[in-house]
Amino acid sequence: AQSVAQPEDQVNVAEGNPLTVKCTYSVSGNPYLFWYVQYPNRGLQFLLKYITGDNLVKGSYGFEAEFNKSQTSFHLKKPSALVSDSALYFCAVSPGGKLIFGQGTELSVKP
Amino acid sequence: NAGVMQNPRHLVRRRGQEARLRCSPMKGHSHVYWYRQLPEEGLKFMVYLQKENIIDESGMPKERFSAEFPKEGPSILRIQQVVRGDSAAYFCASSSTDRKDKAFFGQGTRLTVV
Repeated sequence: AQSVAQPEDQVNVAEGNPLTVKCTYSVSGNPYLFWYVQYPNRGLQFLLKYITGDNLVKGSYGFEAEFNKSQTSFHLKKPSALVSDSALYFCAVSPGGKLIFGQGTELSVKP
Repeated sequence: NAGVMQNPRHLVRRRGQEARLRCSPMKGHSHVYWYRQLPEEGLKFMVYLQKENIIDESGMPKERFSAEFPKEGPSILRIQQVVRGDSAAYFCASSSTDRKDKAFFGQGTRLTVV
């Protein structure tokens, strides 16, 4: 069965500092991996995806993620956090069409 | 392109009533997915539909829940005889046949059962 885990319920970062939101996955075969962001009372917005190719994937709003096959991880990163990045972040894996989401990580960026 | 449209945005139902949630996919998209987000939980896949076909309903509760995506019109998620535990945000996503890796989400319908 395919699954993703986000080990941290919440991540707190000071504005301007780098941020990392962790995700590990369990899939059979080659994974399709995604990050989505959800702002309060809103739907999900696509940030980035990994299907194949370079292990470092660049996405929207300055975010990037690194695919690490040996560690089965796909951590989301940003070099310098903004207060406006505060939101709920979901990692997901797609076995074809549907998305299987992690539990989500609440990112809080303080001024 | 208006994006994925869900209505209503908010729906209040009394226990025992029926809830109908609508999802109009993006223009040109023929694949629709429904997800449920329970309070303090992540999103759970419910059902995947193509026009007139249910492709994968492995996440649908066995009773009271049904979904359709007719040839014409929006996709409908129907919950009969709602209970308090059905209170959640229900999200719809759509994708095209050649880009199933890129799903676009609607704003969601927040169902409250009182």
